Amino acid sequence: EAGVVQSPRYKIIEKKQPVAFWCNPISGHNTLYWYRQNLGQGPELLIRYENEEAVDDSQLPKDRFSAERLKGVDSTLKIQPAELGDSAVYLCASSFSGGTVTDTQYFGPGTRLTVL
Amino acid sequence: SQKIEQNSEALNIQEGKTATLTCNYTNYSPAYLQWYRQDPGRGPVFLLLIRENEKEKRKERLKVTFDTTLKQSLFHITASQPADSATYLCALDAWGGDKIIFGKGTRLHILP
Repeated sequence: EAGVVQSPRYKIIEKKQPVAFWCNPISGHNTLYWYRQNLGQGPELLIRYENEEAVDDSQLPKDRFSAERLKGVDSTLKIQPAELGDSAVYLCASSFSGGTVTDTQYFGPGTRLTVL
Repeated sequence: SQKIEQNSEALNIQEGKTATLTCNYTNYSPAYLQWYRQDPGRGPVFLLLIRENEKEKRKERLKVTFDTTLKQSLFHITASQPADSATYLCALDAWGGDKIIFGKGTRLHILP
């Protein structure tokens, strides 16, 4: 079974440039999460989707971050414009069923973003 | 707000010994607590979940305890091996139970 796929794996951009990350969850998983992980920290939830609906985006900086999950499968996370403080690893995870904490989340390898 | 504390310093353990990692939390009583493993350049991998009414959970060489009085979980790896070297993250359900909050993780080095 294929795991969660993310691309690109690495991205280096200059500040004020836009950037987008893509995630393909495990087939059949209806819940998709985007996390940000800073160096030496644990992942922090940015947004959670149940199918096409964003059910928790309270931690998403909406002035510059946006996300979409068309057709309830793949998802894209965008930053525009990027700032130096956005440098981090962006992780995508997926799970099946109710999106509760007891559902096992499967993480992708992440995209490491460096903003210069 | 909820606060999770894991030992930020790396833990060095001799191969074959038992490694014990600590997760403390404050300002909250979680219903669940989870442990994840994360290798460099990879996403976290779920290991174990323990509920507030469970004192202990085991999976092969792994054992997790959950003391709601001390507000602490201990994660044990018995007969440790160099392949167990990784960062181990503790996570608990946030207030309202609709998402999990991760600790910073503890880096574990098993020395051959």
